[in-house]
Amino acid sequence: AQSVAQPEDQVNVAEGNPLTVKCTYSVSGNPYLFWYVQYPNRGLQFLLKYITGDNLVKGSYGFEAEFNKSQTSFHLKKPSALVSDSALYFCAVRDRADSNYQLIWGAGTKLIIKP
Amino acid sequence: DAGVIQSPRHEVTEMGQEVTLRCKPISGHNSLFWYRQTMMRGLELLIYFNNNVPIDDSGMPEDRFSAKMPNASFSTLKIQPSEPRDSAVYFCASSLALAKQPQHFGDGTRLSIL
Repeated sequence: AQSVAQPEDQVNVAEGNPLTVKCTYSVSGNPYLFWYVQYPNRGLQFLLKYITGDNLVKGSYGFEAEFNKSQTSFHLKKPSALVSDSALYFCAVRDRADSNYQLIWGAGTKLIIKP
Repeated sequence: DAGVIQSPRHEVTEMGQEVTLRCKPISGHNSLFWYRQTMMRGLELLIYFNNNVPIDDSGMPEDRFSAKMPNASFSTLKIQPSEPRDSAVYFCASSLALAKQPQHFGDGTRLSIL
């Protein structure tokens, strides 16, 4: 069965420090991987995706994510955190072999950036 | 370009009443998804459509929930009769029907059933 795990319910980082939000996945085939961010009272916003090619993917707002096939991980990173990065972050996966277009979602990680 | 548009943004009603949530997907997108988000259960897929046809409704909680997509630019999610446990934020998302394309979300309808 396909699944996504975000092992941390909450991540606390001081402003200016690097941040990492972890995601691991399980699919039977090769994955498409996505990160989304949700600000209060807003819908989920697409940040970045891994489709193929370079394992380091760059996205919106200075975020990047590294695909690691051997560890089945897709961690979200940013070199220097901003207070405005505080939000809820979701990882999602889709098996390339699937004929439908559903995403399998992680439970979300609350990121808190302290000034 | 306009994103996914949902209405109303907030709905408060008494249990037993019919509730209709509306969604206008991004023009050109041919997949549409309805989600429900709660603190307890997180983000749940209720139903999704491809080219206006329901493909998977296994996430619809029970017969009180129904969804329609009469054309490519409009979808509704209806709850009848509503119950307090239906209180949640309901999101609509749309995408191109390609596996590598992301879903784009509306800002949701916050539903409170008293």
